[in-house]
Amino acid sequence: DGGITQSPKYLFRKEGQNVTLSCEQNLNHDAMYWYRQDPGQGLRLIYYSQIVNDFQKGDIAEGYSVSREKKESFPLTVTSAQKNPTAFYLCASRGSGTGGQPQHFGDGTRLSIL
Amino acid sequence: KNEVEQSPQNLTAQEGEFITINCSYSVGISALHWLQQHPGGGIVSLFMLSSGKKKHGRLIATINIQEKHSSLHITASHPRDSAVYICAVRGSNYKLTFGKGTLLTVNP
Repeated sequence: DGGITQSPKYLFRKEGQNVTLSCEQNLNHDAMYWYRQDPGQGLRLIYYSQIVNDFQKGDIAEGYSVSREKKESFPLTVTSAQKNPTAFYLCASRGSGTGGQPQHFGDGTRLSIL
Repeated sequence: KNEVEQSPQNLTAQEGEFITINCSYSVGISALHWLQQHPGGGIVSLFMLSSGKKKHGRLIATINIQEKHSSLHITASHPRDSAVYICAVRGSNYKLTFGKGTLLTVNP
């Protein structure tokens, strides 16, 4: 079945470390998104990519980096510059059709600081 | 003020009850989404609508563009409906703005 796979499900980071969250989709979607979810808050957009080899900052991009070398993959790196990285991270993708398409979400990665 | 407001924040119901969750927004939108997030964290898209009403099984979503308001209804609620329900609005650039979610608990 087509879908979005995020790995790992749980991730622990030491202070000063960079960590990379994986997001893979086999839906042949052009657009991909990374969101951060904190308790009591709505999802916030970190980065998004409308097409391969192109991506834009979202509302809270500081301390994060992404790449989009392949259509099916959109990894997110949480750098040591991100001072409060503990959160739930969700990846999403969207196909390009007339009238717009809904976003499909992965199951998320929960990142914690050791 | 948040651009997307949901009410109530928390809702507890008995199995079989009719449930309504509300969403109000303050910006112009091209579509509104209702999403369901289960305790494990994964999110499923329930509805995307830009006018009128949509129905899928026991779920019904309505939107009033003039009043900038949408409702999600669940008929004959069941404990497996327990989840966080999230309203999100889509602007002209396809970016989504999310509400904080409504935690629904349905007791047997």
